[in-house]
This record gives sequence, C-alpha cells and structure tokens, in this order.
Amino acid sequence: TQLLKQSPQFLSIQEGENLTVYCNSSSVFSSLQWYRQEPGEGPVLLVTVVTGGEVKKLKRLTFQFGDARKDSSLHITAAQTGDTGLYLCAGAYAGGTSYGKLTFGQGTILTVHP
Amino acid sequence: EAGVAQSPRYKIIEKRQSVAFWCNPISGHATLYWYQQILGQGPKLLIQFQNNGVVDDSQLPKDRFSAERLKGVDSTLKIQPAKLEDSAVYLCASRHRKTEAFFGQGTRLTVV
Repeated sequence: TQLLKQSPQFLSIQEGENLTVYCNSSSVFSSLQWYRQEPGEGPVLLVTVVTGGEVKKLKRLTFQFGDARKDSSLHITAAQTGDTGLYLCAGAYAGGTSYGKLTFGQGTILTVHP
Repeated sequence: EAGVAQSPRYKIIEKRQSVAFWCNPISGHATLYWYQQILGQGPKLLIQFQNNGVVDDSQLPKDRFSAERLKGVDSTLKIQPAKLEDSAVYLCASRHRKTEAFFGQGTRLTVV
C-alpha cells in the first residue's frame, strides 16, 4: 500500500509563530506537490518539488524535498490569519502501473489565531 | 486559461437515490482524476483516466459507483444507489503529462 503520512493532523497557533508540517512515505516519488484548500473550494497548488534535496521558497513558505524523495516539509514563518486552511501534500509516481497516480496525505488543518 | 469546471456545486439526495456529477477538464489535459474527500481529510482517488481509458479504479466501489470519459474530454461520475456514507465532496482534477494537477471547486454531496 502506498501511503503518505502527514503530521501533525491539527495545528492551532498564534499569529507570528512559526510552524512546520511534515509529509512522509516509504515510497519514492517522481515529484511531490503541496496544496492549500479553503472550505468549499478545491485544492490550490502551492508548489511542486522534483529533485531530491530541493528547497523552494514562496514568500514566507519554505518547502523541502528529502534527499531520497520520500518525504517533504512545509515551513511557514511568522504565520498570519490568512494562512488558515487545510494543507495537503500529494506524491506523484513515475513508473509502472502507478504512472501519473497522485496520492494525497490526510492533510493538516492549520488555524492561526489573531 | 479556463480551469477545471464541475457541476453541480451542491447536491442533496435521499439514500438509495441516484446522482451524477459532471467534469470538464482543462483543454488538452489527457489525465483526469475523480477524488472523494470526506470533511477535514485528504482526497481519496476514486478513478484515473488517461484520455478515455481507465488507468486506475482500484478504490472505486464498483457495485454503486461508475465513471466514464467519452471522447477523452468531459467525464461523469455516477452513484447508484447512494448511501449515507457517500456524503462528501467529489473533486475532479486534470493534468497534462508531467505537470501539476489542477482541481475544480468540487461537488458537495449530502445524502440524507
């Protein structure tokens, strides 16, 4: 079974704090994507990481792909109330019968309090 | 560029009734996915199409769920008969080769 485990499942913090969300698997991915989803909407892509060890920054968000391409992390610096939402990681498989398959973690619900 | 379109946005039905959802992917995207998302959880893949062929439907409850993608463009997902546990958001996504997947807004289904 190909599983993606996200942690923590819930995160409640004050505005201005930093946080990290983790995404782990025993499978190797060709790429890993992070999405943010607000209530009543579909997931919106934040970033795609492809190369092992890759680090990408998007304003206050930093994404890292593990060297072995099995895990990833999302770090938010100085969280704002607008960061509140469901954060999802999704791994894409490259080969065999799983080609193109996109598997999601269970998500991290982030609440940032003013 | 137009995004993934889904309809309806909301649907309320009684258990044992039938329901169908429609998805129009981004033009030129060969891969189309249907996901089921329970409130507060990550999306679960139901079926993946490559053009009009099924690539993966291992998690589709085939006794009640069916999906088709005629002509490799639009797709429909049907539930017949619906159960209470089918209440969820049904998301459609499309993807072009190795690029990222883009999602529609989803259809929120409530089975009462």
